[in-house]
Amino acid sequence: EPEVTQTPSHQVTQMGQEVILRCVPISNHLYFYWYRQILGQKVEFLVSFYNNEISEKSEIFDDQFSVERPDGSNFTLKIRSTKLEDSAMYFCASSVLDGTDTQYFGPGTRLTVL
Amino acid sequence: AQSVTQLDSHVSVSEGTPVLLRCNYSSSYSPSLFWYVQHPNKGLQLLLKYTSAATLVKGINGFEAEFKKSETSFHLTKPSAHMSDAAEYFCVVSEGGNYQLIWGAGTKLIIKP
Repeated sequence: EPEVTQTPSHQVTQMGQEVILRCVPISNHLYFYWYRQILGQKVEFLVSFYNNEISEKSEIFDDQFSVERPDGSNFTLKIRSTKLEDSAMYFCASSVLDGTDTQYFGPGTRLTVL
Repeated sequence: AQSVTQLDSHVSVSEGTPVLLRCNYSSSYSPSLFWYVQHPNKGLQLLLKYTSAATLVKGINGFEAEFKKSETSFHLTKPSAHMSDAAEYFCVVSEGGNYQLIWGAGTKLIIKP
């Protein structure tokens, strides 16, 4: 069964560094998403992406963040100048359609900022 | 504005007994509702979803949930718990036209042998 994959599974970085989290969505899916879960807190929506542009973003997704689909398979989240509070589990998801369609999640990347 | 409240942060049941995980939602429009499960050190897996068809929704692993509009509830149940059900369960709401999912805080299900 096709699944969303994410790399790396765990990323450790120093405060102020840039990180890129990578995701390979399910191949026939058109909508892509990033969520994060800070330890002990709710899962939070960051951004959705369709047709090579952002469709919706939350207040969390400020200028520090960017997303890109650099080729036909990868979907990346870049975090510039990381802060301690960026430490979280980052989940990528994809869906065939928008709105109420099921979003399928990857296993997550645990980002630790020191 | 949408929101989700999971009424219990932890639920503990004995193996073989019924499971009830409670969820209430608030939504301005006709929502879609989901339950996701997260096993330790694993990703988020869809258990089931409601999208305005039948109000009783059956999911994987013997779980089901009933949408009750009058009570704004979407409780998750299973007749008989298994040790492998130990995980964290998230109730999630989405409104048509919005891309984002709104998540509850999660309920940790503990299964006692």
